[in-house]
Amino acid sequence: VQLVESGGGFIQPGGSLRLSCAASGFTFGDFTMNWVRQPPGKGLEWISAIFGNSGHIGYADSVKGRFTISRDNAKKSLYLEMRNLRAEDTAVYYCAKDILIGTGSGFDWGQGSLVTVSS
Amino acid sequence: QSALTQPASVSGSLGQSITISCTGTNSDVGAYDYVSWYQHHPGKAPRLIIYDVNNRPSGVSNRFSGSKSGNTASLTISGLQAEDEAHYYCCSYTSSSTPLYVFGSGSRVTVL
Repeated sequence: VQLVESGGGFIQPGGSLRLSCAASGFTFGDFTMNWVRQPPGKGLEWISAIFGNSGHIGYADSVKGRFTISRDNAKKSLYLEMRNLRAEDTAVYYCAKDILIGTGSGFDWGQGSLVTVSS
Repeated sequence: QSALTQPASVSGSLGQSITISCTGTNSDVGAYDYVSWYQHHPGKAPRLIIYDVNNRPSGVSNRFSGSKSGNTASLTISGLQAEDEAHYYCCSYTSSSTPLYVFGSGSRVTVL
């Protein structure tokens, strides 16, 4: 399993950014994919999940209405569109794959992509 | 939904055993056997070390073990080694759709 995030960077408050996660080493379309973030010096926070067939999507309250998760199974890629970014969105964003199909058992992780929101 | 409660820091000497607790509610830890534990060295990707309460992924040392009683899960590291010094996070699937998962507050393990 390999998960490689990209698209992070420095953005001003109110701006938008799109993160991508390129997956390999498994049948991408079979697995639920997630985004998890870690603000500097703080713990991990689950922020969004999308089922394999995109039939179910969930968000944490902290990002609902501002962030949109999507996937392209043909390209084996996961995305996170982030809008109206705030300083508190500053974090390392991890792409995380459910380790088993159809359960909430745990995650495999990418290396993360740093997003810094600051004026 | 609040983060699961973990001790901020746990320490032990080389070769000793330590246990990290993870306390949630009957909507998360107590509701499912979907508790996982992650080892996190700064600057690296978190590493899954326990899933489904007490299962180890392939390649994870049998010095790591997990358990659960009611709303509290635990991670035990036996035969503590220098490379075990890291942050450890528990995680639970929840009965809510938001959030779908809740993480623990994290525990810093120091090897004396």
